[in-house]
Amino acid sequence: EIVLTQSPTTMAASPGEKVTLTCRASSSVSYMHWYQQRSGTSPKLWIYETSKLASGVPNRFSGSGSGTSYSLTINSMETEDAATYYCQQGSSYPLTFGSGTKLEIK
Amino acid sequence: EVQLVESGGGLVQPGRSLKLSCVASGFTFSNYGMNWIRQAPGKGLEWVAYISSGSSYIYYAETVKGRFTISRDNAKNTLYLQMTSLRSEDTALYYCARSRNSGPFDYWGQGVMVTVSS
Repeated sequence: EIVLTQSPTTMAASPGEKVTLTCRASSSVSYMHWYQQRSGTSPKLWIYETSKLASGVPNRFSGSGSGTSYSLTINSMETEDAATYYCQQGSSYPLTFGSGTKLEIK
Repeated sequence: EVQLVESGGGLVQPGRSLKLSCVASGFTFSNYGMNWIRQAPGKGLEWVAYISSGSSYIYYAETVKGRFTISRDNAKNTLYLQMTSLRSEDTALYYCARSRNSGPFDYWGQGVMVTVSS
């Protein structure tokens, strides 16, 4: 099983601040997907295949990485970006998620 | 508009069974793989099971293998999860989610709560 480790666990950012969330895999994966989950709602696909933005996702978001190290970056934090972000690998079964990064607005 | 609507959850005693359903609309159900993913209260996401579009490929998480069975009826646009020998640690919000093979989960339902308690 591929274990995904996200960091930080929680963080707070001010409006306009640049934010980077990281996801490390215990073995090399081909790509990473990211999901956003706001409190009390279902997760939404946010970034897929490492760097492709899902429909409707603002272009202040970007994704990058390869092998065992991946990241999600917000160029300029906005209040609506406060949520928990999960990474997920689809390279091998069982499919696995990271434990999430809770991002709060400062 | 893609819609996934889960049902069948509730309170069940340890060791008992429960069957979840997920009705799909707004897309050609038989063209997509489907998944069950769960989230324990206050916890993260855990993938549970996958079934391919024609039911040829099925995979489970180790935590549910041998106890849960995923299935689908393409004529009824419905996905199922038969859960047996339920344990307290199965208590969670269960989501169905669409995917292509092991691709991303691009649409999710609203979730259905399963509580295992005596």
